[in-house]
Amino acid sequence: SQQGEEDPQALSIQEGENATMNCSYKTSINNLQWYRQNSGRGLVHLILIRSNEREKHSGRLRVTLDTSKKSSSLLITASRAADTASYFCATDADTGKLIFGQGTTLQVKP
Amino acid sequence: EPEVTQTPSHQVTQMGQEVILRCVPISNHLYFYWYRQILGQKVEFLVSFYNNEISEKSEIFDDQFSVERPDGSNFTLKIRSTKLEDSAMYFCASRTTYSTDTQYFGPGTRLTVL
Repeated sequence: SQQGEEDPQALSIQEGENATMNCSYKTSINNLQWYRQNSGRGLVHLILIRSNEREKHSGRLRVTLDTSKKSSSLLITASRAADTASYFCATDADTGKLIFGQGTTLQVKP
Repeated sequence: EPEVTQTPSHQVTQMGQEVILRCVPISNHLYFYWYRQILGQKVEFLVSFYNNEISEKSEIFDDQFSVERPDGSNFTLKIRSTKLEDSAMYFCASRTTYSTDTQYFGPGTRLTVL
């Protein structure tokens, strides 16, 4: 698989449920960032987790990082219709550029 | 809260024409980036820029592309002779330090090449 691969590719849930998205990567990283993109719009930064961190919280978001498995997960709790968007993980290695995955498209039904 | 801005939001051009996409990074940021996203695909790195020179570029960033920081605030991406396959959303991003900080993205410029 490529650097920064998310799964599932698509996720549909009911409002109030939790949504979990996973990201796997191949090379060593300095940090991993999660972004949200509403249809046809810009990338909104959600959370950054450094390689020496294992878990981070921000509001309804919880991100974990397992560097031994080269994987990360993003949990959105108590989802809302406004959370409907595509979510991307992006890895940041030594060079400073971000390598993005294909993204997970989340639909939250009211 | 400071933000990265980009102009225009949408640019339509004819194949073979030159286009310049403009970005104003966050004022105290030192590292600047261009990425692109072809419709329905993932975001791809094009180029990084620091201290008035290119730090790294991808295979996509060929001789048709150039970047410039013409003054203290603007950061531009020029495509000399556009091709149909250059149609994409182009994002500018900036950050303060090399690799320990968040990279902030602008809203993007949608380039349509006819």
